[in-house]
Amino acid sequence: QVQLVQSGAEVKKPGASVKVSCKASGYTFTGYYIHWVRQAPGQGLEWMGWINPNSGGTKSAQKFQGRVTMTRDTSISTAYMELSSLRSDDTAMYYCARFKIVLLPAGPPLYYFDSWGQGTLVTVSS
Amino acid sequence: DIQMTQSPSSLSASVGDRVTITCRASQNISNYLNWYQQKPGKAPKLLIYAASSLQSGVPSRFSGSGSVTDFTLTISSLQPEDFATYYCQQSYSTPLYTFGQGTKLDIK
Repeated sequence: QVQLVQSGAEVKKPGASVKVSCKASGYTFTGYYIHWVRQAPGQGLEWMGWINPNSGGTKSAQKFQGRVTMTRDTSISTAYMELSSLRSDDTAMYYCARFKIVLLPAGPPLYYFDSWGQGTLVTVSS
Repeated sequence: DIQMTQSPSSLSASVGDRVTITCRASQNISNYLNWYQQKPGKAPKLLIYAASSLQSGVPSRFSGSGSVTDFTLTISSLQPEDFATYYCQQSYSTPLYTFGQGTKLDIK
């Protein structure tokens, strides 16, 4: 079955960087984009960006451009999200999610996140 | 950017109740609307995609409807395991896959 397993919780100081991993299993890693979504304590879901594991191409939300780097290692079916210049308001649970694309006979494809990692808590505190 | 607004923000209901949650998009998104359920301490789980298609394994008491800008998620008969937070998400305007702010459903 499809599984995304993320790395463990991190505590970082302001200004530092954090790198979260997301190991995929149960499917062809290069066949599906991986997206990153975060959730601050008690808040809603915030989309951060995606990586195409096949090409390595990435796209991030404007809010995170210049601070987020998404990479992958296809040999171990793992995606990574690195966030730099951490601030206290970056304290959040970070999720990776598999992105399903359903092609339709007419119109744009359907897109949705059909499988999620368990989340990685990143705490930024001095 | 497309904004997604859910109502209500919170809702109290009893087991067996029929519950409806609404999601409104700031512009036409056709039927490119997904619904997720999130329980405390857990990752979100896909319930409905393309406004009304039930994800495999999701109980049939969950249903979705709507198009263009107005959408609803209905739970026909609430079960104890349904108390959670529900999020809508638009997938029309790529790559910004914006979520609604969430609707917390708790026990009355």
